[in-house]
Amino acid sequence: KNQVEQSPQSLIILEGKNCTLQCNYTVSPFSNLRWYKQDTGRGPVSLTIMTFSENTKSNGRYTATLDADTKQSSLHITASQLSDSASYICVVSASRGGNQFYFGTGTSLTVIP
Amino acid sequence: GAGVSQSPSNKVTEKGKDVELRCDPISGHTALYWYRQSLGQGLEFLIYFQGNSAPDKSGLPSDRFSAERTGGSVSTLTIQRTQQEDSAVYLCASSLGPGNTIYFGEGSWLTVV
Repeated sequence: KNQVEQSPQSLIILEGKNCTLQCNYTVSPFSNLRWYKQDTGRGPVSLTIMTFSENTKSNGRYTATLDADTKQSSLHITASQLSDSASYICVVSASRGGNQFYFGTGTSLTVIP
Repeated sequence: GAGVSQSPSNKVTEKGKDVELRCDPISGHTALYWYRQSLGQGLEFLIYFQGNSAPDKSGLPSDRFSAERTGGSVSTLTIQRTQQEDSAVYLCASSLGPGNTIYFGEGSWLTVV
């Protein structure tokens, strides 16, 4: 069964600290993995996308890693800011036609001053 | 347009009434998706349109839900005889084609009272 699981479900960190969010998946055949950021009351916005051959991808203070062998990804946020408070959603695509996106339930991150 | 546009942004309706939610995808995007997101929950797939192909309706929760896409562009999601459990954010997304990055609208917040 194609599934995407994220952990932790929620996380509270102090401003300036680093954190790492996890995503495990069983989607097959794998095509790519994306991390989205969803601010409260807004639609999700794409942060990074990684294909099978990519191990790491950075977007500013966000760094995503992918281990296609263990089917795990992580999103590392460096020097967190209050504006990082949001839900982070892992989305895995299967390499076939049609509706092929599988969504995790997200990690709710709260950055406090 | 510059992004995926959804309307209305907020809708409060009485139980039993019908509602229509509109999505205007990014120009040139052939793929269009509808998702539902309940409070604190992950995204639930509803329906997928790809070009002129028959839509993938496998995610529609009941026959009260229907959607159409006219002229390969604007889409309307219709919920008939709304129930309180239909209260959620309805997110529309579009992409250039299957497998490409999906871009989300800001969502239509539906509250059934």
